[in-house]
Amino acid sequence: QQPVQSPQAVILREGEDAVINCSSSKALYSVHWYRQKHGEAPVFLMILLKGGEQKGHDKISASFNEKKQQSSLYLTASQLSYSGTYFCGTSNTGNQFYFGTGTSLTVIP
Amino acid sequence: NAGVTQTPKFQVLKTGQSMTLQCAQDMNHEYMSWYRQDPGMGLRLIHYSVGAGITDQGEVPNGYNVSRSTTEDFPLRLLSAAPSQTSVYFCASSYIGGSSYEQYFGPGTRLTVT
Repeated sequence: QQPVQSPQAVILREGEDAVINCSSSKALYSVHWYRQKHGEAPVFLMILLKGGEQKGHDKISASFNEKKQQSSLYLTASQLSYSGTYFCGTSNTGNQFYFGTGTSLTVIP
Repeated sequence: NAGVTQTPKFQVLKTGQSMTLQCAQDMNHEYMSWYRQDPGMGLRLIHYSVGAGITDQGEVPNGYNVSRSTTEDFPLRLLSAAPSQTSVYFCASSYIGGSSYEQYFGPGTRLTVT
């Protein structure tokens, strides 16, 4: 039930854009996105609850394609502070929650 | 608000020992959960609770017990520690309907079993 994330790792220069994908083999009730810095706890970014929903704040946004059971996280004009590991989390029942294996994002000057 | 707190931060156990990882939250969240994080595996759900007196198994429950006697506390017990349980453990909480609301994570407990 664990969603699959791609790519596993990406290196960007400041100002470049990135897309992280998350896909599930099961129908999804919701998709969460979190970022984790090394040695710290995951921190919430956003939730998408409806198929077709798109959300964003600052230069980070996400979309949710319910039919394809996929979500994508878009980071535009990346900043050094965006570095970390990004996880998608999915649920198809409302209470059981599954995280992907993560995408390591490194932003270099 | 302290948010979600976990103790201890670090722990070393010998194989066969038992211990309890503590988790508490002061946000009156009904949903609480435990995850373990291993390199390359992401976070995997061990057990979760939707309220006091109600617990259920997650993806990797073997070797762990939980109980929920109050809304605030959700301890995780390792019955007989094994090297395979070496991991970082995170407790999280959210409003009921865990997947519809932001999960707040504690700082984690790094456990080594020798």
